[in-house]
Amino acid sequence: SQTIHQWPATLVQPVGSPLSLECTVEGTSNPNLYWYRQAAGRGLQLLFYSVGIGQISSEVPQNLSASRPQDRQFILSSKKLLLSDSGFYLCAWSRSRDRGDNEQFFGPGTRLTVL
Amino acid sequence: GEDVEQSLFLSVREGDSSVINCTYTDSSSTYLYWYKQEPGAGLQLLTYIFSNMDMKQDQRLTVLLNKKDKHLSLRIADTQTGDSAIYFCAPVTGRRALTFGSGTRLQVQP
Repeated sequence: SQTIHQWPATLVQPVGSPLSLECTVEGTSNPNLYWYRQAAGRGLQLLFYSVGIGQISSEVPQNLSASRPQDRQFILSSKKLLLSDSGFYLCAWSRSRDRGDNEQFFGPGTRLTVL
Repeated sequence: GEDVEQSLFLSVREGDSSVINCTYTDSSSTYLYWYKQEPGAGLQLLTYIFSNMDMKQDQRLTVLLNKKDKHLSLRIADTQTGDSAIYFCAPVTGRRALTFGSGTRLQVQP
């Protein structure tokens, strides 16, 4: 069966510090991978998605970046965190986009607080 | 671009039915999903409906789809306190695959 992991589960970082959040998927190959952010009391905002190694699409301009160094690893990074980067970060995966359904499976999330 | 709207909050009494509504703009959506998010957790798929269906029932859950009006609803029968969560409507859209609504917070009062 497939599983998706995220770490760390919670993180408190000062403004201006770097960030690295990791997401890994097990039990499947060549998944589509996604990073979402959920601000407090708000919906999900798609940040990045990837259909393969080294292929990253950015949905919104910001000081965050994403990388996919391996097939089942997706990393969200920042060189300098802003207060507005606080939120709940969710990683998700789906099967090939050649299918019409694109059901997404979500990780447990990372709660980031920037002080 | 694609847009998905939901009401932000719904409060019901335990045992009553809950109806969560969603409107969307992309008429080409093939699958339309409902996800549930419990406090501090990720999203779990609850159910989905394919665009050639009007209704889908899955135990206490009933999904209704009105393609003409681009309106989707989720009905939870006999709502329990464990149903308290945020519910997201998410139609499949062409470019980003899934577009999520802002979520409806369901509060179930005992």
